[in-house]
Amino acid sequence: DIQMTQSPSTLSASVGDRVTITCRASQSISSWLAWYQQKPGKAPKLLIYQASILESGVPSRFSGSGSGTEFTLTITSLQPDDSATYSCQQYSSYSLTFGGGTKVEIK
Amino acid sequence: EVQLLESGGGLLQPGGSLRLSCAASGFTFNIYAMTWVRQAPGRGLEWVSVISGSAGKTNYADSVKGRFTISRDDSKNTVYLQMNNLKAEDTAVYYCARDQYFYSHWGQGTLVTVSS
Repeated sequence: DIQMTQSPSTLSASVGDRVTITCRASQSISSWLAWYQQKPGKAPKLLIYQASILESGVPSRFSGSGSGTEFTLTITSLQPDDSATYSCQQYSSYSLTFGGGTKVEIK
Repeated sequence: EVQLLESGGGLLQPGGSLRLSCAASGFTFNIYAMTWVRQAPGRGLEWVSVISGSAGKTNYADSVKGRFTISRDDSKNTVYLQMNNLKAEDTAVYYCARDQYFYSHWGQGTLVTVSS
């Protein structure tokens, strides 16, 4: 199986900060990567697919980049509502896998 | 509006069996693949199984292969997950999601607890 490693596991930032989360794949997955936001007790919400395509309705402060084995999710101006756990997911292989998640806290 | 509603979770002992259901509405069910994803308490998301639209081709995570069976009834717009020989490590919230590769629509989840 392809392993997905996220870093950091937790980050704390202030409102208005630029935040970057990294996701690394154990082998190349081209651009077959999605990002999700999840709040406690809720289902995940799709933010980005194919590494950089913003899902309809997702604020433009979210963006994704990367290809191959290294990917980033960037929040350009952190808002209070962005407090959540963010997970990447590869869909390159027949057995899909998720990263362990990055918890974003607001200072 | 797309809606997915899981049911069937509960508390059971190791070795037991359970069938989860996910009732779908708001879209043409039979043309979409459906997926089960789970999340153990305090842990990350884990893909479990997928079934393709109509043709019903299936695939499973190694952790559940041989114990779980995914199926669908297009006449009822429902996807199922039959879980046999349950283990403590199967304890999780189980979500159904629409599509095969990435998921824009999810249910609210149903909790399965395996404990003696």
